[in-house]
Amino acid sequence: DMKVTQMPRYLIKRMGENVLLECGQDMSHETMYWYRQDPGLGLQLIYISYDVDSNSEGDIPKGYRVSRKKREHFSLILDSAKTNQTSVYFCASSSPPAYEQYFGPGTRLTVL
Amino acid sequence: DAKTTQPDSMESTEGETVHLPCSHATISGNEYIYWYRQVPLQGPEYVTHGLQQNTTNSMAFLAIASDRKSSTLILTHVSLRDAAVYHCILRASYYGGSGNKLIFGTGTLLSVKP
Repeated sequence: DMKVTQMPRYLIKRMGENVLLECGQDMSHETMYWYRQDPGLGLQLIYISYDVDSNSEGDIPKGYRVSRKKREHFSLILDSAKTNQTSVYFCASSSPPAYEQYFGPGTRLTVL
Repeated sequence: DAKTTQPDSMESTEGETVHLPCSHATISGNEYIYWYRQVPLQGPEYVTHGLQQNTTNSMAFLAIASDRKSSTLILTHVSLRDAAVYHCILRASYYGGSGNKLIFGTGTLLSVKP
């Protein structure tokens, strides 16, 4: 069963703390993504990773960084979290040729 | 970015066939039409996609107009589990760069009555 997992599912942090969001996939997909989704808005792309140590900025990379040391694992890091980074974060993965993206269940991050 | 237009909401009853329209008048020749759906508290779920020909899978039938300026996602025998926001998205066919990006709008909220 193809699956994208995210940990944790819910997280509350204080402003200035560091945040680590984890994503895993069991489909050996080369490409992985981090998005955020805010109420009433669509998905905003933060970062794309084309494979291990091959990461590119998306549309809103400021305040975020990523790490991909294994194909099946992709991390999103917030160094010194800000209140405006409160959001739902989705990880996704895809592989050619169809390019459909498979999404995880999301992490609900609240920064106080 | 290329844009799509969808109705804000539609209603149906269990067992019915639902036609979800999408207008994409400025679609480019290298853009695929993708459909995703999302229920509250869950991540988006891939439904189907097509380029020019109608396509079908276990989830839905995608009808694409001959001029590709519109498409319709057809759900047969809908159930309560089909209640979701359905997003029609255009995506470039080349791999890498903006071809990987999914631009979600507000989509169509499909309500299903028992």
